[in-house]
Amino acid sequence: DTEVTQTPKHLVMGMTNKKSLKCEQHMGHRAMYWYKQKAKKPPELMFVYSYEKLSINESVPSRFSPECPNSSLLNLHLHALQPEDSALYLCASSPYPGTQQYFGPGTRLTVT
Amino acid sequence: KNEVEQSPQNLTAQEGEFITINCSYSVGISALHWLQQHPGGGIVSLFMLSSGKKKHGRLIATINIQEKHSSLHITASHPRDSAVYICAVSFAYSNYQLIWGAGTKLIIKP
Repeated sequence: DTEVTQTPKHLVMGMTNKKSLKCEQHMGHRAMYWYKQKAKKPPELMFVYSYEKLSINESVPSRFSPECPNSSLLNLHLHALQPEDSALYLCASSPYPGTQQYFGPGTRLTVT
Repeated sequence: KNEVEQSPQNLTAQEGEFITINCSYSVGISALHWLQQHPGGGIVSLFMLSSGKKKHGRLIATINIQEKHSSLHITASHPRDSAVYICAVSFAYSNYQLIWGAGTKLIIKP
């Protein structure tokens, strides 16, 4: 299995909802990443997990809460989001921090 | 400041043409990455290189460390190569976070 999967593909949520994004890889990678991408812009790093521990949090608002239950799975819990949080959320993994990253297809999030 | 500049911003070419996209950066890096993003989102990592040249199919990536410059070449371009190509660099001292260029939008016409 050489891919990173993300669910759901699309998500529409209201500002009072709680939802979660899921990312999974079975390549034995020890680093996993969450990115946010707005239209026509490069991805912005949100979080990095290294060996299942949060190693980087790029000053992301607390309404985004990451979780790494095991080495294959990465979640992003969403609560009380704002319309400006609408974006493509990309997950990636790499064998180790600093090595080539493999990206999932993304979740297109719309906050209404 | 770590900056990554790509050129051109947009490129339209005919099928079969040889394509070159350039990337320059301002400070020493640990690695340079070339990535491809198709409309609709998914990003594919094409190359990660720190010296010399790498080839995969019709794609070739080169890097000149002294000149802080890298090029991505596509030979015998095809409409399916139409995508945004992004250069990014990583630095050991910043936990290998990627610093992204703005991307080059490539359109190959049949």
